[in-house]
Amino acid sequence: QVQLQESGPGLVKPSETLSLTCTVSGGSISNYYWSWIRQPPGKGLEWIGYIYTSGTTSYNPSLKSRVTMSVDSSKSQFSLNLSSVTAADTAVYYCARSKTIFGVVGVFDCWGQGTLVTVSS
Amino acid sequence: DIQMTQSPSSLSASVGDRVTITCRASQDISSYLNWYQQKPGKAPKLLIYAASSLQSGVPSRFSGSGSGTDFTLSISSLQPEDFATYYCQQSYSSPRTFGQGTRLEIK
Repeated sequence: QVQLQESGPGLVKPSETLSLTCTVSGGSISNYYWSWIRQPPGKGLEWIGYIYTSGTTSYNPSLKSRVTMSVDSSKSQFSLNLSSVTAADTAVYYCARSKTIFGVVGVFDCWGQGTLVTVSS
Repeated sequence: DIQMTQSPSSLSASVGDRVTITCRASQDISSYLNWYQQKPGKAPKLLIYAASSLQSGVPSRFSGSGSGTDFTLSISSLQPEDFATYYCQQSYSSPRTFGQGTRLEIK
């Protein structure tokens, strides 16, 4: 049973870079797409982007200028960097595995527990 | 971006009731529609993918239907553990987008 675990600072200062890592255990990181999704407190879900184990990425255009994702298959980890953060980036950040259905990526079938990141000075 | 609109935003029901939640896409998304359940303080859980396919391990009282722009999630006989927030999500195009959620409460 694959498990995902997010890790990283819970508090980030405005204008700095938010950095999170997701560790995959109980299964292979290879040949899957891996996503980041966030949820501001009391609000809905926003897809940030995904990365394939080859390094191919797709980002939400609303965040694209500030997002970088990377993958380290040797450590079974993938990471998110979000630069120039503001209070609007305060959210629970989830990592998730993306299942491919009919050749299309984007069904999130396995999720981490989530980590709250607060942007505040 | 494709906008996903769920109705109702909240719903009160009793154990044993049958409930239906609707999701409408702002454009044709074929059958690329997924449903998730989220309980307070927990990550979302995949229930239905490709509009009507039941994710492994999900009880058969959950079902999905629809194609194009209009979709439904039905729960045939509500159980106490079903009271949660439900989200639809399209995987037809980028960016992947979610509905605003439907909160299912105990009457």
